[in-house]
Amino acid sequence: IQMTQSPSLLSASVGDRVTLSCKAGQNINNYLAWYQQKLGEAPKLLIYNVNSLQTGIPSRFSGSGSGTDYTLTISSLQPEDVATYFCQQYNSWYTFGAGTKLELK
Amino acid sequence: EVQLQESGPGLVKPSQSLSLTCSVTGYSITSNYWGWIRKFPGNEMEYMGYITYTGSTTYNPSLKSRISITRDTSKNQFFLQLNSVTTEDTATYYCVRRGYDGTYYYRYFDYWGQGVMVTVSS
Repeated sequence: IQMTQSPSLLSASVGDRVTLSCKAGQNINNYLAWYQQKLGEAPKLLIYNVNSLQTGIPSRFSGSGSGTDYTLTISSLQPEDVATYFCQQYNSWYTFGAGTKLELK
Repeated sequence: EVQLQESGPGLVKPSQSLSLTCSVTGYSITSNYWGWIRKFPGNEMEYMGYITYTGSTTYNPSLKSRISITRDTSKNQFFLQLNSVTTEDTATYYCVRRGYDGTYYYRYFDYWGQGVMVTVSS
């Protein structure tokens, strides 16, 4: 199942509401996770099962969507959120999006 | 705290075997599922396979003839071997643990290693 993320690069200001998109090639039945990867660090699980927040992740991160279209939202962008974000489906085997690189404007 | 750390050679010659180790601390590999994911230079990621708490394995069909995942429970380590490598196997390799909420195992990954970059080149 192909996962397509958009945009590939996003520039935003501190305090902005940021929305990242992940589109699946077919219905993935809400089996979707989001990860954050900062430069030189291990990826970190943010969200699983579309909208369940992983323990320890700030509440400004949220996930939504269904069927083939999913969204990660950061309600108020913080400087430490600069990273690449990628999605993963686990409905059929495991496939990943290519990522959205989030930078500060 | 659960920590995973990959190790292995950063350069492998074509046609040879790639061998990586994942050392796990803070959690026993005799519980849960442990896998390998790789990220290619163009950012595409591929789930390669996993080994379960019983030692059984499942591999990505695209790699099935070349891949082997094994473990050493006494050292709390698991291993990746990929045979007959080509330049297309150049990637950053991550070891991962499957998500676990204390009751159920899930097919997302709640712990990742930092990754090790492997280049296949003569």
